[in-house]
Amino acid sequence: QVQLVESGGGVVHPGGSLRLSCAASGFTFSTYGMHWVRQAPGKGLEWVAVIWYDESDKYYVDSVKGRFTISRDNSNYKLDLQMNNLRAEDTGIYFCVRDFSRFSSHWQPLDSWGQGTLVTVSS
Amino acid sequence: EMVMTQSPVTLSVSPGDRATLSCRASQSISRNLAWYQQKPGQAPRLLIYGATTRATGVPPRFSGSGSGTEFTLTISSLQSEDFAVYYCQQYNDWPRTFGQGTKVEIK
Repeated sequence: QVQLVESGGGVVHPGGSLRLSCAASGFTFSTYGMHWVRQAPGKGLEWVAVIWYDESDKYYVDSVKGRFTISRDNSNYKLDLQMNNLRAEDTGIYFCVRDFSRFSSHWQPLDSWGQGTLVTVSS
Repeated sequence: EMVMTQSPVTLSVSPGDRATLSCRASQSISRNLAWYQQKPGQAPRLLIYGATTRATGVPPRFSGSGSGTEFTLTISSLQSEDFAVYYCQQYNDWPRTFGQGTKVEIK
């Protein structure tokens, strides 16, 4: 079955950097678009970024543009999120999420979710 | 950015009763809407997509309706395992956006 396991979370000072990873298994990783979605403590869900199955396109929420970079390694079934210049408002659980269907990420719900990794930005 | 507004914020329901949750989009999103269920300490789970289609393994007591800007999730007879937070999400435009959630609690 589909398995997504996030890692790399931790405590970082404002202005610092962190790199999150997601190890995928149970499906053909190279054929699915992948997303990061976050959730601040006690708050709702916020979509962060998407990368196309073949890396041909990426989108970000405005609040992270220029600071976060989504990338993937299809050979090693891995999704990453490089987070730079972190702010207190970036604190939360970061979920790795797979598209519902293969190939295009347009008009796709979010299907399989990892359990998340906690990022805390605090001085 | 597409704004998704859910109501009510909290819904108090007795087991066995019907629950009706609403979601409104700031612009038309056709039927590109999903509903997710999240229980404490767990990742969200896809319940409904395409506004009306149940995801694999979702019980038939969950149903979705609507199109354009107005959507509804109905739970016909609440079971103990259904008490959770429910989010709607549009996947018509970038960035993807979620509603703020409706907490379904035991009355």
